[in-house]
This record gives sequence, structure tokens and C-alpha cells, in this order.
Amino acid sequence: DIQLTQSPSFLSASVGDRVTITCRASQGISNYLGWYQQKPGRAPNLLIYAASTLQTGVPSRFSGSGSGTEFILTISSLQPEDFATYYCQQLNSYPITFGQGTRLEIK
Amino acid sequence: EVQLVESGGGLVQPGGSLRLSCAASGFIFSDHYMDWVRQAPGKGLEWVGRSRNKANSYTTEYAASVKGRFTISRDDSKNSLYMQMNSLKIEDTAVYYCVLPSRIIGIRRYFDFWGQGALVTVSS
Repeated sequence: DIQLTQSPSFLSASVGDRVTITCRASQGISNYLGWYQQKPGRAPNLLIYAASTLQTGVPSRFSGSGSGTEFILTISSLQPEDFATYYCQQLNSYPITFGQGTRLEIK
Repeated sequence: EVQLVESGGGLVQPGGSLRLSCAASGFIFSDHYMDWVRQAPGKGLEWVGRSRNKANSYTTEYAASVKGRFTISRDDSKNSLYMQMNSLKIEDTAVYYCVLPSRIIGIRRYFDFWGQGALVTVSS
């Protein structure tokens, strides 16, 4: 199975900050990576697919990059509604796996 | 508008069985793969399994943690997805999401529509 390790697991930041979350895969997954945002009590929401393509309706302050084994989610200027948990997901091979999550909280 | 509505969750004893349903609308159900994803209380996301469409012979995939105990099926005439869960364990306690992975790039299908989730609690 492909393991995805996110760092950090917890992040405290302020409105307006630029933040990055890293996702490392245990083996190469090309660009078959998605990023999801989840707020408490809600289903996850797709932000980025194919490592760097912004899902329809997602604000442009979100961006993704990377290929192979290392991927980055960047939020260019944090907004109050961005405080949530973020997950990466690989679709290179079965079983489909998720990272353990990064909880982003308000400083 | 895509809608996915799970039902069938509840409290069950260890070793028991439960059947989840997902009623789909707003898209051509028979054309699409469907997935189940679960989330244990306070934990992360875990993919459970997949049902491919008729064009791909309704084949299925499962996570190792549920293989042999859970069975995913679908009824295209009812626009419904099911998951029969047998030999339930305490560690199967989770919210179970029905997912439509319709953001397709090549053969990869990203999870762009999710239901609201159904809570399954396995406890004595």
C-alpha cells in the first residue's frame, strides 16, 4: 500500500498568513493526488485534483504543486473560513489512501 | 444537482450485520463508479471500497480491513448503492460516506461529491 505522510499534523496560523502543507508518498504516484478540506461535522470537499488543478468553485488562494513523491498545498492568504482539516489522497493504485490530515487552527 | 443520501446506519453489536444504502440523484447513476469512505470518531479518512459501472462489469475493490466482510453492490434501476457489512467489529465504528468520484482525469477519479454520512456504531 502507498502511505501518505502529511506535515505538519497541526498548524496554527493567523488570517492573512501564507501556509503550506506537505504530503509525501512512500513511492512515486506521478501527479495522481488530490487535496480535500473538511470542516467539523461536514463531508470533505475536493480542492485540488491531479496535484495542481483547482476544482471548480474553489478560491484561487488555494494552489497545489508537486509530482512523484512530494506534494504541497499552499493557501496564499488565510481567510477565516479556511480553518479546517486538510487531507491528501492518492489515486495511483489500490487501495486508495489518504494522508493522516493536517489540522489548521487560528492562532 | 447531485444528491447522495445515505441511510441504514445505527447501533449494532460486535459480530452483527448492517446494510447501508445510498440514494443517488442528479446524475446518470449507471454511468459512474461509486465509492464508500469512512471516518472513525476523531480520526482521518479511510477509503472502504468501490463499485465500478456496468461498462466495467460492476466489479468491486475493497480495503484490506473490510475485504471478506463487506460487500458493495448497486441497483442501477433504483439509482442506489449498497454496502452489506457483516462480522462487524468495534473498529468499524465510523461515519460512512457515499462518494461519487466524477472528476475524471484519464482513468483517475477524484472524489468530488459526497453524501452527508451515516453513523455506524459497533458496541455491546
